[in-house]
Parts: sequence; C-alpha cells; structure tokens
Amino acid sequence: EAEVAQSPRYKITEKSQAVAFWCDPISGHATLYWYRQILGQGPELLVQFQDESVVDDSQLPKDRFSAERLKGVDSTLKIQPAELGDSAMYLCASSSSQQGRYGYTFGSGTRLTVV
Amino acid sequence: SQKIEQNSEALNIQEGKTATLTCNYTNYSPAYLQWYRQDPGRGPVFLLLIRENEKEKRKERLKVTFDTTLKQSLFHITASQPADSATYLCALELDSSASKIIFGSGTRLSIRP
Repeated sequence: EAEVAQSPRYKITEKSQAVAFWCDPISGHATLYWYRQILGQGPELLVQFQDESVVDDSQLPKDRFSAERLKGVDSTLKIQPAELGDSAMYLCASSSSQQGRYGYTFGSGTRLTVV
Repeated sequence: SQKIEQNSEALNIQEGKTATLTCNYTNYSPAYLQWYRQDPGRGPVFLLLIRENEKEKRKERLKVTFDTTLKQSLFHITASQPADSATYLCALELDSSASKIIFGSGTRLSIRP
C-alpha cells in the first residue's frame, strides 16, 4: 500500500537553531499538506500545496517557517530559528483531489522537541 | 468562528459493546465530514467520509451518521475489540473552494478485555 514518507521520525534541537523536515507524498497526489499537532490537540494546517504552488499558508508563521515543493513532488518544511513552543508533531499529508473528498493520507510524522 | 467539539473525556468500553463517539460543530455547514483513527506517535489514518446528503455510512464494523440539522456526527464501532483502542478525530470541510478541513481535538477510546 502506498505511503507518505517523512523524515526524520524524531528531532531534538536547541532553540534558535534551524531544523528541516522532509516529505514525499504518494505518487500522483498533487495536493500536499503540512500540519502541526500539539499533544492532546487535533492537527492544525500550516501550509497547502497544489503541485508546486502554495494554495494556503495563512496559518504559517512566516517570520520563522518556510515551505517549498520545488518540482511539485516532495516537500521541505523549515523552521529558523526554532523556539520552545515549536515542540510538536509535524505531519505531512497528501490527497488525490484538491477538495480532499477522498480523505487524506498522512505520514508517520516528525516529533520535534526544542530544548 | 468555526468550532468542532468531540468528547473531551476518554471513553472506556467493555469489549464486545458498541462504542459511540460524538462530533459537534457550530457556525458553518460543511459539505462533508471525515473520521480518522490515530495511534500514539503515528499520523492519522483515514476511515470514512460522509457527505451532507448522506444520513448514514457503513464500513465493516464502523457506522457514521451525519445530522446537518443538529450539526452533529456520530461514529459507532460495533462489537468493539481491544485493537480498536486509539484516538478518533473528526474533520470538517471548512471551505469547499479552498479545500480546507479542520480537525477536532479527538476522543481517546479504550476497549478493555
């Protein structure tokens, strides 16, 4: 069964350092999402791509976060500088339709701890 | 603002019984609603999608209802098993033109043998 690949699975970084997460969606899925999930809460959308274009980044803290999907396939989410409050699970998801009406496929996530 | 509420307390159910989870929403009318399962330390797994014109949907031991008048969805697991223990998230379409969905905070379900 096709999966969304994410790496690394775990990351510990010191505050003020830079950190990057990588995601490879299911082949052929044009829509890619990055979510942040704080323990005990539901996932919150950070950024949505349609192919290589950003569709929605209204909730992305652009002073420190950036995301790219240069060739419309895999994607990178970066945080610089990391802050203690950024500790969370970062999830990547992809969908075969922009409307997401067939459900999203999530990766296993990257657990970030900022110390 | 849009709001989704799921059972805030964990749900503990005896094996073999039916587990019922609730998702209530306010201030908008989504065209569809999704349910996901999430195990600790893992990403959510899509289970079911129900559209606004569908009252009920089934998949094996799972059943979802969608009442647009009450602004509520119920998620049922019949003949529950310890392996069904997980957190269950509901998600609603926020804006059909932009395909944004928002998630509830989830309900943790524990099935005891």
